[in-house]
Amino acid sequence: QVQLVESGGGVVQPGRSLRLACAVSGFTFKNYGMHWVRQAPGKGLEWVAVTWFNGKNNYYADSVKGRFTISRDNAKNTLFLQMDSLRAEDTAVYYCARDGQYSSSWIEDWGQGTLVTVSS
Amino acid sequence: QSALTQPASVSGSPGQSITFSCTGTSSDVGNYFLVSWYQQLPGKAPKLLIYEVNKRPSGVSDRFSASKSGSTASLTISGLQAEDEADYYCCSYAGDNILLFGGGTRLTVL
Repeated sequence: QVQLVESGGGVVQPGRSLRLACAVSGFTFKNYGMHWVRQAPGKGLEWVAVTWFNGKNNYYADSVKGRFTISRDNAKNTLFLQMDSLRAEDTAVYYCARDGQYSSSWIEDWGQGTLVTVSS
Repeated sequence: QSALTQPASVSGSPGQSITFSCTGTSSDVGNYFLVSWYQQLPGKAPKLLIYEVNKRPSGVSDRFSASKSGSTASLTISGLQAEDEADYYCCSYAGDNILLFGGGTRLTVL
């Protein structure tokens, strides 16, 4: 079955960096777009970024553009999110998610999430 | 990139039908047939209920149905059950590979 397992969350000071990873299995990773979606405590879902199947087309929400970088390693079935210049408002559970197609359309499967807390 | 608009909460009794609304604009819901709906049970990750406006993934109950008219999408749950108590989110493709979520609607089963 499809599995998406995030790692790398934790507590980090404002202005610092953190790198999330998502190990996937149960489907042909290189064929699908992949997303990061976050959820601040007690709040709704916010789309963060998407990378196309080939890793060459990456798109971001305005709230993270220029600070976050999405990438993937299709040989290792792993998705990444490099988060720089972190702010308190980036505190959230970050979900790794598989698109329904090769690019950006809908989210078919979700990981269980990893919590990122930005605090001094 | 403004969020889609959903009512904060709805409630219903077991056996009833209930409809959630999701209002966007001509740049997102009104322009693409890529509206999806997700159910999030307390403390859990979201789960896909509907994609491409009205399609159900295998394994999703046919008690869930959805549609779209103009810039407003709707999700209906028929035969409401206690286990349906959850948060429900709509999502739409908004062009340029961007996805927009609604703020979510909390369903309470009375």
